[in-house]
Amino acid sequence: EAQVTQNPRYLITVTGKKLTVTCSQNMNHEYMSWYRQDPGLGLRQIYYSMNVEVTDKGDVPEGYKVSRKEKRNFPLILESPSPNQTSLYFCASSFQPGTGNYGYTFGSGTRLTVV
Amino acid sequence: AQKVTQAQTEISVVEKEDVTLDCVYETRDTTYYLFWYKQPPSGELVFLIRRNSFDEQNEISGRYSWNFQKSTSSFNFTITASQVVDSAVYFCALISSGSARQLTFGSGTQLTVLP
Repeated sequence: EAQVTQNPRYLITVTGKKLTVTCSQNMNHEYMSWYRQDPGLGLRQIYYSMNVEVTDKGDVPEGYKVSRKEKRNFPLILESPSPNQTSLYFCASSFQPGTGNYGYTFGSGTRLTVV
Repeated sequence: AQKVTQAQTEISVVEKEDVTLDCVYETRDTTYYLFWYKQPPSGELVFLIRRNSFDEQNEISGRYSWNFQKSTSSFNFTITASQVVDSAVYFCALISSGSARQLTFGSGTQLTVLP
């Protein structure tokens, strides 16, 4: 089944403790992206990757890191989480994002709470 | 730059009523794609429709219909004979050829259908 898999689904952590949210897709998509969702703000892009070893900042990259060493994986790293990073996170992938023809596939989301 | 505005933050209707969710977009590109997603209480994003800027035909899928009007930069979504299961947050989103790296979301509309 074609899908984007995020782990974990739920995570509660403490301020300053490094964490990684994993994202993996099995569709051979070149494009992957991370979004965060906050009430009243919709989804905002954190980072994206157009291909292996090619990553760039989205609208809200502060406090996050990503890497794209393999095509299928795009982990989101919070080196020193803070309470304002408490949010619902989505990973997405697409074959050709610019055309819109192939749409986007989203993961099930990761609900992160930083206390 | 591109932007999506969903002015209705919350809507409540009684079951079997019709309801329209508004979406207004901004883009300087002539080639772009519009999307609607549904987010039920479980949190995942469910794809509903994708429409390109060259196709202004309205679309109907069961109780769902979409009205795309380039003249007013709107892509509104109507649910006919609403049901309790339609209760969710609905997001409108846009990607344009000049901003191929980013799917831009509106802030979402929380729809509550009361029995």
